[in-house]
Amino acid sequence: DVKVTQSSRYLVKRTGEKVFLECVQDMDHENMFWYRQDPGLGLRLIYFSYDVKMKEKGDIPEGYSVSREKKERFSLILESASTNQTSMYLCASSPRLGDNEQFFGPGTRLTVL
Amino acid sequence: ILNVEQSPQSLHVQEGDSTNFTCSFPSSNFYALHWYRWETAKSPEALFVMTLNGDEKKKGRISATLNTKEGYSYLYIKGSQPEDSATYLCALSRGDDKIIFGKGTRLHILP
Repeated sequence: DVKVTQSSRYLVKRTGEKVFLECVQDMDHENMFWYRQDPGLGLRLIYFSYDVKMKEKGDIPEGYSVSREKKERFSLILESASTNQTSMYLCASSPRLGDNEQFFGPGTRLTVL
Repeated sequence: ILNVEQSPQSLHVQEGDSTNFTCSFPSSNFYALHWYRWETAKSPEALFVMTLNGDEKKKGRISATLNTKEGYSYLYIKGSQPEDSATYLCALSRGDDKIIFGKGTRLHILP
């Protein structure tokens, strides 16, 4: 059974803290993605990676960075969390070739106080 | 900016009734159209991937059609059940590694 896991389901942090969100997939997928989901705005792409150590900005990269040191792991980093980064964060992966179907993790609901 | 539009944004349907909703997208550089179902407290799960104009896919009571020339896809649910309550996401692939999501249609099935 394919699986994408995220390190936390719920997270509460304070403004200015450095926050790490971890995502691991066991499907040997080349592509990994980080999205945030906000009411009325749908899923918005923050960053994605198509290979180890490779990354590309999505639609809303400001205030975020990412790290992909191993194929199975993709980390989202909030260098200095702000209240407007309170959101649901979803990780996904997909194989490099094919129809681009993405497999999602359960999400992390981050609250920044 | 590439827009994938879904309508309606929200929908209430009586249990047992059938319903449908729409995804529209730019038809240029089309590669694939995805439908996902996202139930509360769960991960989005793929329902269908369609690549050819005129494609029709079916899974139980749910089916989808695709018109790539005019840039739209319909999702149909026959005989709605409470377990169909979810947000249905449409997403467009243009052949690179990303897919562009619409904002979703939130479906509520009324008992």
